Amino acid sequence: AQSVAQPEDQVNVAEGNPLTVKCTYSVSGNPYLFWYVQYPNRGLQFLLKYITGDNLVKGSYGFEAEFNKSQTSFHLKKPSALVSDSALYFCAVRDPSNSGYALNFGKGTSLLVTP
Amino acid sequence: GAGVSQTPSNKVTEKGKYVELRCDPISGHTALYWYRQSLGQGPEFLIYFQGTGAADDSGLPNDRFFAVRPEGSVSTLKIQRTERGDSAVYLCASSSPRGSLGTGELFFGEGSRLTVL
Repeated sequence: AQSVAQPEDQVNVAEGNPLTVKCTYSVSGNPYLFWYVQYPNRGLQFLLKYITGDNLVKGSYGFEAEFNKSQTSFHLKKPSALVSDSALYFCAVRDPSNSGYALNFGKGTSLLVTP
Repeated sequence: GAGVSQTPSNKVTEKGKYVELRCDPISGHTALYWYRQSLGQGPEFLIYFQGTGAADDSGLPNDRFFAVRPEGSVSTLKIQRTERGDSAVYLCASSSPRGSLGTGELFFGEGSRLTVL
């Protein structure tokens, strides 16, 4: 079975400081990994993905994530947080070695960036 | 349209009633997904369409839930004999043909909030 875990319900960071939102995954094969963001009363928006290749992937709004196979992690990072980054962040995984097509999402991490 | 459109945005119904939720995907997107998001939880997969056919319906919780996509574009999620536990936001997403391989990103609608009284 494929799954992701987001161990933090909430992350608080001051504007201008670096931020990290954690995600670990569990799949039987090589994973496809995704990060999505959800602003209040809005649909989920794609941020970035790892399929293969370079372990460090860059995405929208200055976010990046590093795929670490040995630690089965895919943490989301940004060097300098903005108040407008405050939102709900979801990590998602798909195991291409199985026949299903679902992305499995974590429960989400609420990011609060204070001025 | 420019994005994934879902109607209605809000639906309040009584226990035992029948409900239909509609999704209009991005033009040209062959893959369509339905997810359900309960308060404080991440989206939970329900069903995936590739064209007109349901390629994966393993997430449908029981036989009260059914979805169709008869012409490979608009999809309708149908819930029979609604229960209070069905209350959630129902999300629809679509993806380009590359997304059908699982590598492309999903484009989500804003969801239909269902409340069963």
